[in-house]
Amino acid sequence: AQSVSQHNHHVILSEAASLELGCNYSYGGTVNLFWYVQYPGQHLQLLLKYFSGDPLVKGIKGFEAEFIKSKFSFNLRKPSVQWSDTAEYFCAVNVGGSQGNLIFGKGTKLSVKP
Amino acid sequence: ETGVTQSPTHLIKTRGQQVTLRCSSQSGHNTVSWYQQALGQGPQFIFQYYREEENGRGNFPPRFSGLQFPNYSSELNVNALELDDSALYLCASTPPTGRREQYFGPGTRLTVT
Repeated sequence: AQSVSQHNHHVILSEAASLELGCNYSYGGTVNLFWYVQYPGQHLQLLLKYFSGDPLVKGIKGFEAEFIKSKFSFNLRKPSVQWSDTAEYFCAVNVGGSQGNLIFGKGTKLSVKP
Repeated sequence: ETGVTQSPTHLIKTRGQQVTLRCSSQSGHNTVSWYQQALGQGPQFIFQYYREEENGRGNFPPRFSGLQFPNYSSELNVNALELDDSALYLCASTPPTGRREQYFGPGTRLTVT
């Protein structure tokens, strides 16, 4: 069965530090890839998405992610985090040709110290 | 543009009871998916509805059932509630673009005692 792994359960950074959150998936075919963010007390919001084309995708609030097909990875990055980036981040995969459901990782909680 | 809405926000039920959760999709979105998110976990797919029919189902027992209405809103019904059903239930809608991005509502927090 397909699965998504997020390597870090909890990441703590100081403001202005760079961020990279890992995401790996287990499926050898076509995939659509997503990162969602859940700010405290808010619902899941789509941060960025990859369907095809340029493997480096840019999302909202300065986030970007790179799809590396050979590594089955879709890591999330931000050059300089802010306190307002404190949230939980979920990587999700949709397997191409499937029924359209998303398979989520367990999430990474990011805490940014001011 | 109104996003995905869900009701109720919170619900407390007793083991063995039945519950109905409701979802209104984002305007123009014709596909609705339901997910269960246990504490500390990522959302898990329950099922998806498209054109009022179930369009895929995750690994959940038949006591989890759903409906989609002509206006694309949807219901999730759970019969014979168990303690492990306590979770956040999320509804997501997908626009008719052929792409599979999903937009989530705030969820319904269900507690089974």
